[in-house]
Amino acid sequence: GEDVEQSLFLSVREGDSSVINCTYTDSSSTYLYWYKQEPGAGLQLLTYIFSNMDMKQDQRLTVLLNKKDKHLSLRIADTQTGDSAIYFCAESMSDYKLSFGAGTTVTVRA
Amino acid sequence: NAGVTQTPKFRILKIGQSMTLQCTQDMNHNYMYWYRQDPGMGLKLIYYSVGAGITDKGEVPNGYNVSRSTTEDFPLRLELAAPSQTSVYFCASSQNRVHHFGDGTRLSIL
Repeated sequence: GEDVEQSLFLSVREGDSSVINCTYTDSSSTYLYWYKQEPGAGLQLLTYIFSNMDMKQDQRLTVLLNKKDKHLSLRIADTQTGDSAIYFCAESMSDYKLSFGAGTTVTVRA
Repeated sequence: NAGVTQTPKFRILKIGQSMTLQCTQDMNHNYMYWYRQDPGMGLKLIYYSVGAGITDKGEVPNGYNVSRSTTEDFPLRLELAAPSQTSVYFCASSQNRVHHFGDGTRLSIL
C-alpha cells in the first residue's frame, strides 16, 4: 500500500475553510510537503514543514504536524475558486527522494 | 526564468515504438528525477540522478532508461513502448530538498 495516505476528494463552499489530511509512515522523514496541481500543469510547491516543527503558517495556509500520530494537515482559509486543484502530501526520504500520496481533489463550489 | 522544461508536451506512440522524453533545467541543480503519474495513484519515482554521470533506479524503473551526461539534461528513454506505460511523466530537479517540476509529458501508447 501507499506510504503516504490521503482522502481522495473534498468539496468545500467558497469562503469556508478547507482541511486536507495526510498520514505518513516513515518516522525518520525530516521534511513534509504540500504540493498543488492544477489541471494540465505540473506540481507547484505550496509549503513544507520541518519535522521538528508543529505548525507553520503562510498567509491563508496553515500546516499542522502531529509527529506522534504521523499526521499532517493543510488548512486553507477563505477558500476561493482558484483553490480548486489536486493537493499532494509528500514526505522526504533520506536521500532527497519524495514519496507522494495519491492526491486529494478539492472542488470549491459557489 | 525557465526552470524545468519538458518536451514534448503530448505524444501518441504505437506499441513497440521507442522515444525519448527530454528534460532540461537551468537552475544548476544536482538532483534530477523522473516520475510517472497515473490516475488516483500519486507520483511514482522511475529514475533519479544525484549529479552528472550518476543515475539510480526508483520504484518503477522497468521499461525505462536514463542518462545524465550534463548537469542540465536528464532524458528518459522508452525502448519498447507498452500500453502500461501510458501515463503523465514529470521531470523534476531539486536543491535544498525543494523539488521543482516541469509541466509534464502526456504519453499514450496504443
